[in-house]
Amino acid sequence: GAVVSQHPSWVICKSGTSVKIECRSLDFQATTMFWYRQFPKQSLMLMATSNEGSKATYEQGVEKDKFLINHASLTLSTLTVTSAHPEDSSFYICSARWTDPYGYTFGSGTRLTVV
Amino acid sequence: KNQVEQSPQSLIILEGKNCTLQCNYTVSPFSNLRWYKQDTGRGPVSLTIMTFSENTKSNGRYTATLDADTKQSSLHITASQLSDSASYICVVSAGRGSGGYNKLIFGAGTRLAVHP
Repeated sequence: GAVVSQHPSWVICKSGTSVKIECRSLDFQATTMFWYRQFPKQSLMLMATSNEGSKATYEQGVEKDKFLINHASLTLSTLTVTSAHPEDSSFYICSARWTDPYGYTFGSGTRLTVV
Repeated sequence: KNQVEQSPQSLIILEGKNCTLQCNYTVSPFSNLRWYKQDTGRGPVSLTIMTFSENTKSNGRYTATLDADTKQSSLHITASQLSDSASYICVVSAGRGSGGYNKLIFGAGTRLAVHP
């Protein structure tokens, strides 16, 4: 149980375009989802916390207009990187919180390359 | 400042050998400590979760220990296999919320390479 599906697993896009990444909880309802960014050989950095039906809470230094987060249902959160630039190239990972008191499950990640 | 420090940064061992990874934390208030395995290009997968009252927890060949007094944890891998090659991340949950619904503080990870 507690499976989080993240798509796509990798994407290449041109500078200036937008890219959407989906995170779905397959067998549970996730009232809260988290989006992380990871650079090579570094650990995960929290970008934002996404609550179903309300606005996301962004960490300091993360541009909310650039990284649009939508959590319209209990099983789906999306991260849209708008007007992507090469410096946005990174590994993006979502996680979802579930009813187990200590339950956090991570998606498999999305490798974004902006050319 | 809440911090999680892991050592060593990287480690190479031969297949079949044991190894121990270290995690020191300064997180308050402490809720729980987790060890994750992250394969290259994949998301982290949970190995163990320990609360304040737990000293040790095993998951197959992985055994985690927690000393809440010294704020140290270790992850011991027994009889390593090639598939153990990955990054191992120590994550401490901070906060006073119920259960584990608190802020996660991530360590930088230990990159383990198991060679034949």
